Amino acid sequence: DADVTQTPRNRITKTGKRIMLECSQTKGHDRMYWYRQDPGLGLRLIYYSFDVKDINKGEISDGYSVSRQAQAKFSLSLESAIPNQTALYFCATSPGQGAFNEQFFGPGTRLTVL
Amino acid sequence: QQPVQSPQAVILREGEDAVINCSSSKALYSVHWYRQKHGEAPVFLMILLKGGEQKGHDKISASFNEKKQQSSLYLTASQLSYSGTYFCGTENTGNQFYFGTGTSLTVIP
Repeated sequence: DADVTQTPRNRITKTGKRIMLECSQTKGHDRMYWYRQDPGLGLRLIYYSFDVKDINKGEISDGYSVSRQAQAKFSLSLESAIPNQTALYFCATSPGQGAFNEQFFGPGTRLTVL
Repeated sequence: QQPVQSPQAVILREGEDAVINCSSSKALYSVHWYRQKHGEAPVFLMILLKGGEQKGHDKISASFNEKKQQSSLYLTASQLSYSGTYFCGTENTGNQFYFGTGTSLTVIP
């Protein structure tokens, strides 16, 4: 079984809809991250969490919110989706040594906003 | 803030060597390297810490010049399996982390 899972894997939605992307991990890591990937722009950090009570904004947090429901679960929400949020979204986890240690990525969620 | 990678793309024949560079305008605490194959998630290769030594991973190694805020990834005797997009990630001394835009590497027979 995969250590880091993301649901859904693909989603098509309409402008203005609220959507939630979910991430679960069985690696026992404290640290979790949400990235978006766009062609030519690489991976950009949206939010990260170093433990259940810690949430930090990344490079491009506007238009997104997150919830860390438990050590193993970290959800990303788009309150009112817009077309330029169409992207591939990755969740990642890392062990607790060092601010940004080796990260383990989930399989990704491909989101299309029409 | 985002580190700059060069080259943007490179094509190699099997057995040839390649170097991918990563440069930041900020003072760095660490540099990370990842490889992403088409349609897959990025996979960690190695991390280089400030004051640390050069790392190796099979025939892939890297260096970190702290004074110049630069890192280089060295791929020796490339194999077909090395094809993919390579990303550096930089953690600066302000506790911020950014990935570069990637270098596409294609190894042909």
